[in-house]
Amino acid sequence: QKEVEQDPGPLSVPEGAIVSLNCTYSNSAFQYFMWYRQYSRKGPELLMYTYSSGNKEDGRFTAQVDKSSKYISLFIRDSQPSDSATYLCAMSKWGQAGTALIFGKGTTLSVSS
Amino acid sequence: DTAVSQTPKYLVTQMGNDKSIKCEQNLGHDTMYWYKQDSKKFLKIMFSYNNKELIINETVPNRFSPKSPDKAHLNLHINSLELGDSAVYFCASSLRRAGGSNEQFFGPGTRLTVL
Repeated sequence: QKEVEQDPGPLSVPEGAIVSLNCTYSNSAFQYFMWYRQYSRKGPELLMYTYSSGNKEDGRFTAQVDKSSKYISLFIRDSQPSDSATYLCAMSKWGQAGTALIFGKGTTLSVSS
Repeated sequence: DTAVSQTPKYLVTQMGNDKSIKCEQNLGHDTMYWYKQDSKKFLKIMFSYNNKELIINETVPNRFSPKSPDKAHLNLHINSLELGDSAVYFCASSLRRAGGSNEQFFGPGTRLTVL
């Protein structure tokens, strides 16, 4: 079983839809959870960062972490064509500087106008 | 612009050659990383450095040698390039904070093609 599982999609939605992206993980030592957005031929861009369980909201984006289920989600409200990208979940353990991020394989999202 | 920058952006070379990729960050971070993204877009850690000290050295062939001359720079030298080395290489950086947070910021990537 991979440490982080993410459905690669593709996921296609109309403009204005609510999008739900999810990852599951197996390592209970993970404490930090991140979502990155990657446009084609660009570097990953940090979207949301959460420590331990709970919710975090930033504009149209909401990140949720449920450590008891080892499940994290990213919700995008009022999706826009500019949200079309690959979304990568990433997580890491608490540790010394230089601790690696463990990534999911990414979900490709397409928002049509 | 404050950012993580990499050069070159594209690198096309023949098998057996030696090449280097350079990374610089002006974010004031103390930790830098190299990740490899394969053709299936899977990102995987290769190396990390904190204050010029090697922290992570994943199962990477010893043809890959990172070098950190100072906290703001992390270079990657690759000897005897092989076809399987074709990938996108990303540099990233982070700042060690109390509480151990690990937000990492990525560069634009170097797309390496080995012919």
